Amino acid sequence: DSGVTQTPKHLITATGQRVTLRCSPRSGDLSVYWYQQSLDQGLQFLIQYYNGEERAKGNILERFSAQQFPDLHSELNLSSLELGDSALYFCASSGTGTGGEKSSGNTIYFGEGSWLTVV
Amino acid sequence: SQQGEEDPQALSIQEGENATMNCSYKTSINNLQWYRQNSGRGLVHLILIRSNEREKHSGRLRVTLDTSKKSSSLLITASRAADTASYFCATYHMDSNYQLIWGAGTKLIIKP
Repeated sequence: DSGVTQTPKHLITATGQRVTLRCSPRSGDLSVYWYQQSLDQGLQFLIQYYNGEERAKGNILERFSAQQFPDLHSELNLSSLELGDSALYFCASSGTGTGGEKSSGNTIYFGEGSWLTVV
Repeated sequence: SQQGEEDPQALSIQEGENATMNCSYKTSINNLQWYRQNSGRGLVHLILIRSNEREKHSGRLRVTLDTSKKSSSLLITASRAADTASYFCATYHMDSNYQLIWGAGTKLIIKP
């Protein structure tokens, strides 16, 4: 158990709909990352938050957005869903707030993922 | 484009044999990490090697890093069926904007 909790584990929704994925990081971790993994695209970094603020942005579509709340949990919002958005979405966390994260490239801890199927 | 590229893409060996996977990258790194992913599960960190280290061991795992060749290898000795998984390398370098850069992974199958 990595200590990172993601909900829901599975989600089936129709095209055009909007869903929200939720993530609770490991206790004390300030950084939250979101990744998308599909069969043809591999593991794609979407976005990172650090202590409530956006830190880095990857290949995140404009239809997708995320936020990190004061209690450090994070949500990934996916809207106007398309068939191609079907994938496994991972949340990961890292860092203990010591500032070392910036220079050391800490290990990150992954949740079990949320399987999204768009039909 | 991805920083790390694993080789081979897939590897199938008999239980008890050693498995070697390679990772190449393009620019200077601070560290390189290896992760394992069982099918449909989250990735699990295996080992981190810093740019000033050449070799690191953890149980049956041995990781080497050759910064002159910009490559790393992961050796799993005496493989077991439970080692069947995908293995990813991820690199961290100073100008990567605080993110790990991931390779496409090697799918390892251990045959009983």
